Amino acid sequence: TQLLEQSPQFLSIQEGENLTVYCNSSSVFSSLQWYRQEPGEGPVLLVTVVTGGEVKKLKRLTFQFGDARKDSSLHITAAQPGDTGLYLCAGEETNAGKSTFGDGTTLTVKP
Amino acid sequence: NAGVTQTPKFRVLKTGQSMTLLCAQDMNHEYMYWYRQDPGMGLRLIHYSVGEGTTAKGEVPDGYNVSRLKKQNFLLGLESAAPSQTSVYFCASSYATGGSGYTFGSGTRLTVV
Repeated sequence: TQLLEQSPQFLSIQEGENLTVYCNSSSVFSSLQWYRQEPGEGPVLLVTVVTGGEVKKLKRLTFQFGDARKDSSLHITAAQPGDTGLYLCAGEETNAGKSTFGDGTTLTVKP
Repeated sequence: NAGVTQTPKFRVLKTGQSMTLLCAQDMNHEYMYWYRQDPGMGLRLIHYSVGEGTTAKGEVPDGYNVSRLKKQNFLLGLESAAPSQTSVYFCASSYATGGSGYTFGSGTRLTVV
């Protein structure tokens, strides 16, 4: 049973379009992270959210943590080919000492 | 800073052989982790450590052993490699839990034939 469900699994869009990807769970998390991974590399941390309802912006990327701290979304405005990659969410349950990862959303942005 | 360094980057083993993957971090992080990544199955936690001299099992620990004798190093051992252990292995470290996030190495691609 996957603790974190990410959707969609694959997304292919044209440069300039907007998109939203989702990370959902039935568990409550003390914190949730988003990472981007490029082929042949390890995941790179984009953001951490810790407060229910929290919204963080990183240039064209907007991250939101659900009010109940069970889900999160990542919105990209005016996507660029450089945004192409695997986007992973990871959640840490309180005092767990470790995070669980979703299977990821593979994003392709075509020029 | 080098961050998290994994060695080797690639390895081919025959079934039954043993090997050790080395992870080294220079950020004075307390927590270290070993994950494996397989197509369609995401990142799965093998073992982790919350400090020097400690280790704990993750989601898929069978067939692997680990040691954390020094704070900066976390070793992953395969005693008798099996084809099912063909995967990409990632080491990660973090300063603390509670939202500090992980720093990952660039991975070790292991093929067991």
